[in-house]
Amino acid sequence: GAVVSQHPSWVICKSGTSVKIECRSLDFQATTMFWYRQFPKQSLMLMATSNEGSKATYEQGVEKDKFLINHASLTLSTLTVTSAHPEDSSFYICSTQRDRASYEQYFGPGTRLTVT
Amino acid sequence: LAKTTQPISMDSYEGQEVNITCSHNNIATNDYITWYQQFPSQGPRFIIQGYKTKVTNEVASLFIPADRKSSTLSLPRVSLSDTAVYYCLVGGNTGRRALTFGSGTRLQVQP
Repeated sequence: GAVVSQHPSWVICKSGTSVKIECRSLDFQATTMFWYRQFPKQSLMLMATSNEGSKATYEQGVEKDKFLINHASLTLSTLTVTSAHPEDSSFYICSTQRDRASYEQYFGPGTRLTVT
Repeated sequence: LAKTTQPISMDSYEGQEVNITCSHNNIATNDYITWYQQFPSQGPRFIIQGYKTKVTNEVASLFIPADRKSSTLSLPRVSLSDTAVYYCLVGGNTGRRALTFGSGTRLQVQP
């Protein structure tokens, strides 16, 4: 099956610093990737849709200047949490689809961010 | 996407069959029903998808009644490793679109 990787798997940073999370599609080209956030004991919440070669589309309530998304290639999307605060501590997960005809999405293993 | 309702949690024992029901009263004609599994600190994993009647794969079965307003994920002979959160999602089957996750069902399998 398709494989989506994320790096790092976990990261601890201090308040005010920025953290970059990478999402890679290893088996196929992904023109669209999705970024989700999941707080403890809660469900996944969509943050933004990342489109290769164009600007990301953010969900209502998600600050685009705080969560910078770059999808510069067909296999890599990055999410940068800028000026991180403790409330940004969460589990960040990316996903993608193999093609438009398939509803199945492949999720990355997630990145645990802890802001101290 | 149609809203879904699932039990918040379920308990079972190893070797038992587990049935998790999902309600989706507002399902549209072109919507499919998909189930994902998520282990702690991991991304969700696709389990099964169906449109109507019954679908079976090596992991689970999905039962969908004629009115399609609900569906039941059936896990045969669960083991401890099936302890996870199970999400029922309803939506169209084509196009690149994000998934809307409900609260999911937290299944705890006891020895």
